[in-house]
Amino acid sequence: QSALTQPASVSGSPGQSITISCTGTSSDVGGYDFVSWYQQHPGKAPKLMIYDVSDRPSGVSNRFSASKSGNTASLTISGLQAEDEADYYCSSYTSSSTLVFGAGTKLTVL
Amino acid sequence: QVQLQESGPGLVKPSGTLSLTCAVSGGSVSSSIWWTLVRQPPGKGLEWIGEIYHTGNTNYNPSLKSRVTISVDKSKNQFSLKLRSVTAADTAVYYCATFVARTRIDYWGQGTLVTVSS
Repeated sequence: QSALTQPASVSGSPGQSITISCTGTSSDVGGYDFVSWYQQHPGKAPKLMIYDVSDRPSGVSNRFSASKSGNTASLTISGLQAEDEADYYCSSYTSSSTLVFGAGTKLTVL
Repeated sequence: QVQLQESGPGLVKPSGTLSLTCAVSGGSVSSSIWWTLVRQPPGKGLEWIGEIYHTGNTNYNPSLKSRVTISVDKSKNQFSLKLRSVTAADTAVYYCATFVARTRIDYWGQGTLVTVSS
């Protein structure tokens, strides 16, 4: 299974909004509403930020939102804060009953 | 809240078998959730390894399927990974996690670095 496609890096200034895309195929992102997003700070385990395309786990800031259109999912972070600087990964359930991750996007807060 | 702790040798020789155990606390490995393993090579992205249910049902990443076995030990409240015929490309931080609805990972262990080197 091929990794989902994400931009290698994105950046934004504090207070701004950024969007990270995650492109797959009809066998994963486009075929199921089971896209998740994870935040990972250096040396730490990933943290679930979004699941089932657009749902937020309890405790995750509402500055994080997400959506999906066709084979592409998107994560938007509004009101950027310094603490948002991290790596972000998307994942999707697949038609083979497996999980596939995106290659990851490094977010830099300028 | 479920907690997971990975344990295993930090160094494995090429062509050997990587063995990793995931101890579950704050919950039961026999509960109605799936368990999963994810790895991350240094400086690289996440890779899903596979999943297991307490009944022993498993599902693996096709790219690793021929070399991987995940098993569960209810008596010890843990699950385990065996990865055979390892090479340097298997060097990674290995994470144990809960796999809710078999679609998302909510609780992660802290991860353990396993290096394949002679």
